[in-house]
Amino acid sequence: NAGVTQTPKFQVLKTGQSMTLQCAQDMNHEYMSWYRQDPGMGLRLIHYSVGAGITDQGEVPNGYNVSRSTTEDFPLRLLSAAPSQTSVYFCASRGQEQFFGPGTRLTVL
Amino acid sequence: QQQVKQSPQSLIVQKGGISIINCAYENTAFDYFPWYQQFPGKGPALLIAIRPDVSEKKEGRFTISFNKSAKQFSLHIMDSQPGDSATYFCAARGSGGSYIPTFGRGTSLIVHP
Repeated sequence: NAGVTQTPKFQVLKTGQSMTLQCAQDMNHEYMSWYRQDPGMGLRLIHYSVGAGITDQGEVPNGYNVSRSTTEDFPLRLLSAAPSQTSVYFCASRGQEQFFGPGTRLTVL
Repeated sequence: QQQVKQSPQSLIVQKGGISIINCAYENTAFDYFPWYQQFPGKGPALLIAIRPDVSEKKEGRFTISFNKSAKQFSLHIMDSQPGDSATYFCAARGSGGSYIPTFGRGTSLIVHP
């Protein structure tokens, strides 16, 4: 039982590049979400999903895209990376309690 | 609009002292209040949580105090240890399978030996 896994752990992108942050959970949770963490700003919700095929926007969705084709996977896509997207990204899945992944540290140059 | 306000932003405590972190919320529909602990380079992990039908919950050195009328709740860390040095987030959410938790902005706690 690995919980919530995220890949990669670190990534450096150039402005305008696209990439996908991977997230998977093996707890059969319906609810999954993506957060970004910036100094002094706490955890801000980007997108969330309440089940396969169902996604919705959070507080800061611009520049990001998600899809949920299976219960286990919830990838986050950066369409055209910008320096403002430099952050640490956390995926989470929730049953009774919310579990976070280890994070992806993204730098956009 | 910040639905959960957390203070202080940073806190320095001597070993053996009491660390106190406060949170206030606005939405009266919130009925579940967890606290998360995050060590550097790691994801947040659930530390302790409370529902508003009780005014206090204690787990070891960690205690949540809850004041429903004031819409405030706080985390008390008794006998603080250097290993408690971390960032602490309060959160709040309502009932239901998909209700989105709202997080405070976090408190960076440093416990000096």
